[in-house]
Amino acid sequence: EAQVTQNPRYLITVTGKKLTVTCSQNMNHEYMSWYRQDPGLGLRQIYYSMNVEVTDKGDVPEGYKVSRKEKRNFPLILESPSPNQTSLYFCASSFSGQASQYFGPGTRLLVL
Amino acid sequence: AQTVTQSQPEMSVQEAETVTLSCTYDTSESDYYLFWYKQPPSRQMILVIRQEAYKQQNATENRFSVNFQKAAKSFSLKISDSQLGDAAMYFCAYRISQGGSEKLVFGKGMKLTVNP
Repeated sequence: EAQVTQNPRYLITVTGKKLTVTCSQNMNHEYMSWYRQDPGLGLRQIYYSMNVEVTDKGDVPEGYKVSRKEKRNFPLILESPSPNQTSLYFCASSFSGQASQYFGPGTRLLVL
Repeated sequence: AQTVTQSQPEMSVQEAETVTLSCTYDTSESDYYLFWYKQPPSRQMILVIRQEAYKQQNATENRFSVNFQKAAKSFSLKISDSQLGDAAMYFCAYRISQGGSEKLVFGKGMKLTVNP
């Protein structure tokens, strides 16, 4: 089954404790992206990747890191989480060239 | 700056009736893609319909259709024969390519309630 998976789905952590949210897709997509969703703000792009070893900032990259060492994986790293990073996070992927994006199920993060 | 505006934060419709969700966007690009996504209470983002900007014909997917007005930068979604399962948040988005990068910009969303 073609899908984008994210882990964990739910996470409660404390300020400053490094965490990683994994994202994996099995569709051989070149393009992958991370978004955060906050009430009243819609989805905002954090980082995206056009292909392996190619990443770039989106609209709200501060406090986040990503890597793309393999085509299928695109982890989101929070080196020192803060309460303002409490949000719902989505990973998405697609073939490059304006194709429709497939979204993962979301990861709900609470930073205390 | 590229922006997407969904001016109505909430709407309601009676079951079996038709409802139109509005969306306007601002871009200087001529080639782009437009999307409507549905987000039910499960929080999953589900693609409803997409429209290529170079196509004049409006996209249709079963009960869902769009009214794409390129000059006016308007992209509304019409839901016909509304069903209880259509109740969700709906997000309008467009995707552009610039300088080798690709970007998806979302509106803030609109909550649709379907009344039985």
